Amino acid sequence: NAGVMQNPRHLVRRRGQEARLRCSPMKGHSHVYWYRQLPEEGLKFMVYLQKENIIDESGMPKERFSAEFPKEGPSILRIQQVVRGDSAAYFCASSPNRQANTEAFFGQGTRLTVV
Amino acid sequence: SQQGEEDPQALSIQEGENATMNCSYKTSINNLQWYRQNSGRGLVHLILIRSNEREKHSGRLRVTLDTSKKSSSLLITASRAADTASYFCATGLNNDMRFGAGTRLTVKP
Repeated sequence: NAGVMQNPRHLVRRRGQEARLRCSPMKGHSHVYWYRQLPEEGLKFMVYLQKENIIDESGMPKERFSAEFPKEGPSILRIQQVVRGDSAAYFCASSPNRQANTEAFFGQGTRLTVV
Repeated sequence: SQQGEEDPQALSIQEGENATMNCSYKTSINNLQWYRQNSGRGLVHLILIRSNEREKHSGRLRVTLDTSKKSSSLLITASRAADTASYFCATGLNNDMRFGAGTRLTVKP
């Protein structure tokens, strides 16, 4: 059973381009979380999705950022018109359900560099 | 916000010593989890403690939870250089986890 897979591991984009980050949850997991980690800082919650639904996007900037988790395929975090400040590591985690005592499993992250 | 806050921000100890990290949070939780992150790597789950539990052990790790004070502590006994990492607490309510900024632990050989 493969773990949470994120790709690409490293992504370089020029200012103004679009960045697409993918997260394939563990098999059987229908809940996905995205977090952003700036250098030397902790993880900041961005968005929580269940299959085809956004449950909580309170941590995601209103402009330029969007996330989806379609019925088929990976979850996608999309950043349009990237700026230097978007450079960070983006982690996703998945869990099987919404039970209170469930561990979440993390991917290795995508490191986005905006040049 | 139910986000956890770790303290101290950074901790440096000698190999063999114990390391204690604390986490405080603001709202009700179902559980609290501790994660480790080695530099440049993903997060590894260490331990989950439920809101009705007070203490939990896993190997050299000991976690306590005081819901009346809304705080938790992670104790690593007999630390090793390989324990050098950032440690995060995550507070959970209905499977919605929020993380603190982490404690950066350095264990010197």
